[in-house]
Amino acid sequence: QLQLQESGPGLVKPSETLSLTCTVSGGSISSRSYYWGWIRQPPGKGLEWIGSIYYSGSTYYNPSLKSRVTISVDTSKNQFSLKLSSMTAADTAVYYCARLLGRWCPTAWGQGTLVTVSS
Amino acid sequence: QSVLTQPPSVSAAPGQKVTISCSGSSSNIGNNYVSWYQQLPGTAPKLLIYDNNNRPSGIPDRFSGSKSGTSATLGITGLQTGDEADYYCGTWDSSLSAGVFGGGTKLTVL
Repeated sequence: QLQLQESGPGLVKPSETLSLTCTVSGGSISSRSYYWGWIRQPPGKGLEWIGSIYYSGSTYYNPSLKSRVTISVDTSKNQFSLKLSSMTAADTAVYYCARLLGRWCPTAWGQGTLVTVSS
Repeated sequence: QSVLTQPPSVSAAPGQKVTISCSGSSSNIGNNYVSWYQQLPGTAPKLLIYDNNNRPSGIPDRFSGSKSGTSATLGITGLQTGDEADYYCGTWDSSLSAGVFGGGTKLTVL
């Protein structure tokens, strides 16, 4: 059974870079059938699509975040990662990793991890 | 402001039917597949409908999806109190080259 687990700091200081990792179990991140991606949800607000990556390294990013986002994949560890730079309070959110159908459609989600930006 | 527009809330009585609309444009809904998600309080979203009207395994046929032009609709029949949740539509936006979601609709089962 496919499982995704986010890991990373729960607290980040303003202007710092957030680094999150998603570990995939029960399935191969090298599958040619899926992309892998990140979605976030500020407290009490809606979903925001951050970006996606294919096992080959091909990426798509939300234009509103593109200048600050990097998504990478490590097939040897069956993991993919998110880096978001220049964090501000507006980046406080629950961050979800997901397996995607096509370039964008989450079909399986991690449990999510709350990241708070505060000094 | 979300690219896709959903009503903030809908409500209906147990056993009744409700529909949730999702409005977009030719760059997103008009030329791409739509998906729908259910998010129960404190949990990750769950996929209900993909490719406009397909249900993943395990999703009851009380949930249905349709698309016409630049709008999509989620239908839920035989409402149960356990259906109280936030519902989101989503699709690919060809102009943005990115996924986009609606702002979400809170369903209340009275």
